[in-house]
Amino acid sequence: GAVVSQHPSRVICKSGTSVKIECRSLDFQATTMFWYRQFPKQSLMLMATSNEGSKATYEQGVEKDKFLINHASLTLSTLTVTSAHPEDSSFYICSVPIGRSGANVLTFGAGSRLTVL
Amino acid sequence: DAKTTQPNSMESNEEEPVHLPCNHSTISGTDYIHWYRQLPSQGPEYVIHGLTSNVNNRMASLAIAEDRKSSTLILHRATLRDAAVYYCILRASFNAGNMLTFGGGTRLMVKP
Repeated sequence: GAVVSQHPSRVICKSGTSVKIECRSLDFQATTMFWYRQFPKQSLMLMATSNEGSKATYEQGVEKDKFLINHASLTLSTLTVTSAHPEDSSFYICSVPIGRSGANVLTFGAGSRLTVL
Repeated sequence: DAKTTQPNSMESNEEEPVHLPCNHSTISGTDYIHWYRQLPSQGPEYVIHGLTSNVNNRMASLAIAEDRKSSTLILHRATLRDAAVYYCILRASFNAGNMLTFGGGTRLMVKP
C-alpha cells in the first residue's frame, strides 16, 4: 500500500522560532495532501488542504500566515509553523488520499510531535 | 459529511471478539462507511470501508445494517496491539474535498 513519510517525528523548539515539518508520499503522486492537528486527548482537526502547484486551502480559524504550507512537487508537502508559541505544541499529521474503488481512502503519516518551550 | 455516534470507550479481553458500534442515522445513499484506527502516538490507519454489503479483510469485518443507519466493526480476536481509538466516518462518494472529518471515536482497551 501507499506509504507516507513524515519528518521529523519529534521536535522541540524555543518560543518565537520556526519549525518545518515535511510530508512525503513515497510511492504515490499526490496533487492533494491534508494537514491535521491533534491536541492531547482530542480528535484530529483538519487544518488545511495542500494543493500541488497552487495555494493551500485553510480551514476556518487556522492562520495561513502562521502555518505556511508549500506543496512544490507531487511527492512533498511542507508545513512551517512560524513564530511558534507554547499553544502551538501539538501532534501534526499529514495524509494523502488514495482512490480505492471510489471510496478515497486516506493514508496518514506517523505524525510529528511539536513541543514549544 | 454526515455525523456518526460512537461510545467513548470499550473494554475487551485479549483473544476475544470485539464489536465496535457506530450509529449514523442521517447517512445518505452515496455515503461510504469508513473505519480508521489510531494507535498511541501514531497517525491513523485505514481499517475497512463499505457501502451496503458486509465486508471482510485481513484486519476486520464490517457489518452494515440493512437500513444503513448503523454499522459494527468486528475484530475477531482482539490482541493487545489492537488497543487504539477507532473512528467511524462517513464519506460521500462524490466528496471532492477528499478529506476526512474525525469525531471522537471509541477508545478500545484490551486486557490481557
